[in-house]
Amino acid sequence: SQTIHQWPATLVQPVGSPLSLECTVEGTSNPNLYWYRQAAGRGLQLLFYSVGIGQISSEVPQNLSASRPQDRQFILSSKKLLLSDSGFYLCAWSVRDGFYEQYFGPGTRLTVT
Amino acid sequence: KNQVEQSPQSLIILEGKNCTLQCNYTVSPFSNLRWYKQDTGRGPVSLTIMTFSENTKSNGRYTATLDADTKQSSLHITASQLSDSASYICVVQGGKLIFGQGTELSVKP
Repeated sequence: SQTIHQWPATLVQPVGSPLSLECTVEGTSNPNLYWYRQAAGRGLQLLFYSVGIGQISSEVPQNLSASRPQDRQFILSSKKLLLSDSGFYLCAWSVRDGFYEQYFGPGTRLTVT
Repeated sequence: KNQVEQSPQSLIILEGKNCTLQCNYTVSPFSNLRWYKQDTGRGPVSLTIMTFSENTKSNGRYTATLDADTKQSSLHITASQLSDSASYICVVQGGKLIFGQGTELSVKP
């Protein structure tokens, strides 16, 4: 069966510090991978998606970046965090064919102070 | 503009009661409509996925309906339980996934 992992579960970082969130998927190959952010009381916002290694599409301009160094690994990064980067970050995966179900990870709660 | 609007924004019901959540969308082209349940501090979990040819789909006590003509969907929860307390998110897939803001459901004993 497929499993998606995210870490850390919670993170408190000062403004201006770097960020690295990691997401890995097990039990599937060649998945589509996604990063979402959910601000407090708000809906899900798609940040990045990837259809393959090294292929990243950005949905929203921001100071975040994403990388996919391996088929089942997706990393969200920032060089300098802003207060507005606080939120709940969710990684998700889907198969590529058909109308794909998305499976979400447990999320990372990021608080920028 | 592609949009998904959900109502109500929040809802409080007593355990054992039924409730219905609404989703209106203006997404084109339309591929499918999904309902997700998101417990606090957790990732969303899929409840149902419906294509334009499906009018209703059930998952246990959850029943989703879709009217592709009026571009409306509803999620009906029967005999609510305390564990149903969560945010329910309507998502429409056109060229991309368009997310609603969610309905926050609280089931009280």
